[in-house]
Order: sequence, then C-alpha cells, then structure tokens
Amino acid sequence: RKEVEQDPGPFNVPEGATVAFNCTYSNSASQSFFWYRQDCRKEPKLLMSVYSSGNEDGRFTAQLNRASQYISLLIRDSKLSDSATYLCVVNSNNFNKFYFGSGTKLNVKP
Amino acid sequence: DAGITQSPRHKVTETGTPVTLRCHQTENHRYMYWYRQDPGHGLRLIHYSYGVKDTDKGEVSDGYSVSRSKTEDFLLTLESATSSQTSVYFCAISESTQPGTSITYEQYFGPGTRLTVT
Repeated sequence: RKEVEQDPGPFNVPEGATVAFNCTYSNSASQSFFWYRQDCRKEPKLLMSVYSSGNEDGRFTAQLNRASQYISLLIRDSKLSDSATYLCVVNSNNFNKFYFGSGTKLNVKP
Repeated sequence: DAGITQSPRHKVTETGTPVTLRCHQTENHRYMYWYRQDPGHGLRLIHYSYGVKDTDKGEVSDGYSVSRSKTEDFLLTLESATSSQTSVYFCAISESTQPGTSITYEQYFGPGTRLTVT
C-alpha cells in the first residue's frame, strides 16, 4: 500500500467551477501536510501547508481530517491558470521522511 | 522563490560515462535532497544531506553517490550512467520551522535537470 494516494484525474472543469481533490495517507504518525503545484516540465512549488484547523489562501482552502487520514484541497472560481498537477505531500516531522502522492491533474477549460 | 539553482539544466550522455549534477542554494538551509521523477512513479528520494559531509541513502540510491562539502552545494554523481537513469532530477532544500506547537519541514525545489542516457 502506498504511503500517500491521490486520484490521478484528470479533472476537467470549466472556468469558474469549484473543484476538490482528496489525498489519503497511511501513516497515522504523520504530522505535517502540504499541497504542491507542479506545472508541466517544471518543479513542484509549495502551494499551501495544511494545518489541523484548516486554512485558506484566497480561492484555495485546505482541510485535514486526522480521524479518516485524508487531506483535501478546494479550489473555488477556477482559472485557466490553475491548470496543473497538484501533489499531496505528507511528513512525519522528520527531515528525511517526506511521502509524495503521484499527483492529481487539473485541466480548467474556457 | 527560494534561491536554488541546478546545473546543468539539460544533459545527454552515453551509457557508461560518469555524470555529476550540481545543486546550489543561497538560503543557508541545513537539509538538502536529490529526487528523481519518472512517469508512474512520482518523486523518489535518491539521497539526502543533513549537514556538511553528512549524507544518507534514500529509497533509490543504487548507482548514485553524493557529496556535500559546503552548506550551499550538494552534488549528485552517477558513477556509470545507464539508460534506466534517464529521468528528471530535482534538488530540494528544507529547514525546520515551528509555526505553532510542533516543528515542521517545508521543502523547496530547484528547477530540475533533464538527463538522457543513450
């Protein structure tokens, strides 16, 4: 079983739509959670850290559910520029223990 | 953007030749990592460093070695390149932070090196 699992998609949505991704993790000792965005042929870029109480950054909202061991990312009012692959990353608060999902691809259409 | 550069950005080499990739950071972060990214596998850790001259193996370290003689530089060497090492290689850096009651590590990635072994 993979440490971190994501639906690979692609999610094809029209501009202005709301879209949500989930990511499940297997290690209950995991402490830190992140969403990264990766554009085609580019490096992953940190989008948001996910805090226990949930957090919001503009159109992006991240939630953590420890009981069910999943994190989610909600994107409201999707823009064409949101088209990318979104990676879920989990860390057990060790500098050498990062677990990456394979990514969820989002295509926002005009 | 975090100050991380990688060189070269693209390289084509022949099977059996040694190859060295360089990662350079200006953030003075303690931890540095080398990953490879391949379709169907996501990001996989090759080696990491937790200080100058302190390195250890990741999950896919066979055929690779690393060195870190300065805080800012982390080198990845393919001793004798094989076609299976054709990949995109990302360097990452990290430092511990404590935004609340617990310590966390956020990773920042370099732009990547596309390596083709023919």
